[in-house]
Amino acid sequence: DTGVSQDPRHKITKRGQNVTFRCDPISEHNRLYWYRQTLGQGPEFLTYFQNEAQLEKSRLLSDRFSAERPKGSFSTLEIQRTEQGDSAMYLCASSLIWEFDTEAFFGQGTRLTVV
Amino acid sequence: GENVEQHPSTLSVQEGDSAVIKCTYSDSASNYFPWYKQELGKRPQLIIDIRSNVGEKKDQRIAVTLNKTAKHFSLHITETQPEDSAVYFCAASPGTYKYIFGTGTRLKVLA
Repeated sequence: DTGVSQDPRHKITKRGQNVTFRCDPISEHNRLYWYRQTLGQGPEFLTYFQNEAQLEKSRLLSDRFSAERPKGSFSTLEIQRTEQGDSAMYLCASSLIWEFDTEAFFGQGTRLTVV
Repeated sequence: GENVEQHPSTLSVQEGDSAVIKCTYSDSASNYFPWYKQELGKRPQLIIDIRSNVGEKKDQRIAVTLNKTAKHFSLHITETQPEDSAVYFCAASPGTYKYIFGTGTRLKVLA
């Protein structure tokens, strides 16, 4: 296990199309996070999972965004009817949390460009 | 709401000098404060973290200080080297195990 992996690394799509990204966390990690990062900004929280349960979703997240983690392992993030404002780097991270916060390990991200 | 402010947005220092980056958080329930380094085109990577029951933590040339009363925490890098050049992000965890990130500081170490 070499860490958190994301696929694809780059995605160019036309406005209005749907896209789906995949994240494979570190195998024993129970927490999985999705963040969005635009140029010059810090990662912006989107949602996170504890095993297969989605525990929180950002209020800023449009209904066009949906995430799943069906078996508590990999996760998918889908964006429907993409808009140019969705262009960003989408980062996935995972961590092993029981009682205390611990380090979140990030994937290399999926860069989305909506044209 | 939950917010983390980070200053400065850019910082240039001469090689060998020290660099200090400061963050302020809003949620008093925050109890975990990691710092991440992100090199161009790469993923953010943890460089140091601190929990709310500790006031200071050091790891070689890097140190973090936390003032819970003022809701401030800072990253200190001593004897800076060109390879320290990157974007640094602070974050705070407001007790819900998610991380709220600052806007980042682009550090340039001039040789």
